[in-house]
Amino acid sequence: DTAVSQTPKYLVTQMGNDKSIKCEQNLGHDTMYWYKQDSKKFLKIMFSYNNKELIINETVPNRFSPKSPDKAHLNLHINSLELGDSAVYFCASSLGAVLSYEQYFGPGTRLTVT
Amino acid sequence: SQQGEEDPQALSIQEGENATMNCSYKTSINNLQWYRQNSGRGLVHLILIRSNEREKHSGRLRVTLDTSKKSSSLLITASRAADTASYFCATDRGGSNYKLTFGKGTLLTVNP
Repeated sequence: DTAVSQTPKYLVTQMGNDKSIKCEQNLGHDTMYWYKQDSKKFLKIMFSYNNKELIINETVPNRFSPKSPDKAHLNLHINSLELGDSAVYFCASSLGAVLSYEQYFGPGTRLTVT
Repeated sequence: SQQGEEDPQALSIQEGENATMNCSYKTSINNLQWYRQNSGRGLVHLILIRSNEREKHSGRLRVTLDTSKKSSSLLITASRAADTASYFCATDRGGSNYKLTFGKGTLLTVNP
């Protein structure tokens, strides 16, 4: 049973398009995250939701919009895709927002913008 | 700015040897965690050490934390080819700052 799943695994699209990445966790966790990992493997937090409430909103272009329909799902919608958006996007979840809890990561979505 | 910096950036050893990776950070922390990332996969949590702890063990892993030097080390003993992965440290500042800040990682290659 996959704990944190993401779809799609690969996404290739052209500049200017709009795309979404979906994430689901079956761990019963309250908190979910989106991270971006660049080509140099640097991992940076983008957003975090706790019980469907946004608690972290890093300096991310407003073309990126997260949506949490319920505690088990956190989706990421990206408008007007740019070349610089190419990266691997990871969803993660944790028991709660307190950072002594470990985070469980999904397998990642490799986004390539051409 | 980036909180954690691992060194070395890459480490190549033979199976059976020990591997030591270091992490330095800039500001005071609440917890420090180590994660492993196999190629093409998500990160997997290895161990968490709190700011009031100095050493922690988990199986073949040993983590130390020196808050006076703002540094941590991860030791993997008797390494195996399956330990080949990137290793990241991640820190948090506690309180209402819910953010985990990751370093750039150390790529460990264990040769059979």
